Amino acid sequence: AQSVTQLDSQVPVFEEAPVELRCNYSSSVSVYLFWYVQYPNQGLQLLLKYLSGSTLVKGINGFEAEFNKSQTSFHLRKPSVHISDTAEYFCAVRGNTGNQFYFGTGTSLTVIP
Amino acid sequence: AAGVIQSPRHLIKEKRETATLKCYPIPRHDTVYWYQQGPGQDPQFLISFYEKMQSDKGSIPDRFSAQQFSDYHSELNMSSLELGDSALYFCASSLEPGQGYEQYFGPGTRLTVT
Repeated sequence: AQSVTQLDSQVPVFEEAPVELRCNYSSSVSVYLFWYVQYPNQGLQLLLKYLSGSTLVKGINGFEAEFNKSQTSFHLRKPSVHISDTAEYFCAVRGNTGNQFYFGTGTSLTVIP
Repeated sequence: AAGVIQSPRHLIKEKRETATLKCYPIPRHDTVYWYQQGPGQDPQFLISFYEKMQSDKGSIPDRFSAQQFSDYHSELNMSSLELGDSALYFCASSLEPGQGYEQYFGPGTRLTVT
């Protein structure tokens, strides 16, 4: 089975500052990794995904994430955040067997003007 | 581009009543997933269907059932509702459960049980 840990439940950051949202996973098999964003009262929107290949993945809205197999991490980064980035961010993992997604508990990013 | 459609968007029911949530996947997507997201919690996988057959089962209570129809839409039936069933229910769809296909989420149905 797979599991996901998001170490930070809340991350406040000033506008235009960089941010990193941490995600660690555990799995006995190869995994596919995803970051989703959820704006208030909305559904989940895919930010980026890692399937294979380059460990640095670029997504929408200027976000990127790096897959680190040795550290079993998939941290999300953005060099300069905007007010509009305020949202809940979920890391998710899917094993290479089965199609179930396992989500982390989410990180609430608040961008301070 | 077409997205996943869920109806209704909001639903208020009383304890012990039944509720039916509907999900219409993105065209050509043949796999549907249901998730339950309680207040301040992460989405929990309930059940999924591929080509109208149940493909995976998560933490779905016995009071709930679901099915996928010939047009690939899915319905989640919830009976004997409890207060704890109040949550946001997401449906997601994807292409056949091959390697790494992301799931596209609908806007969710917010169920309130009073």
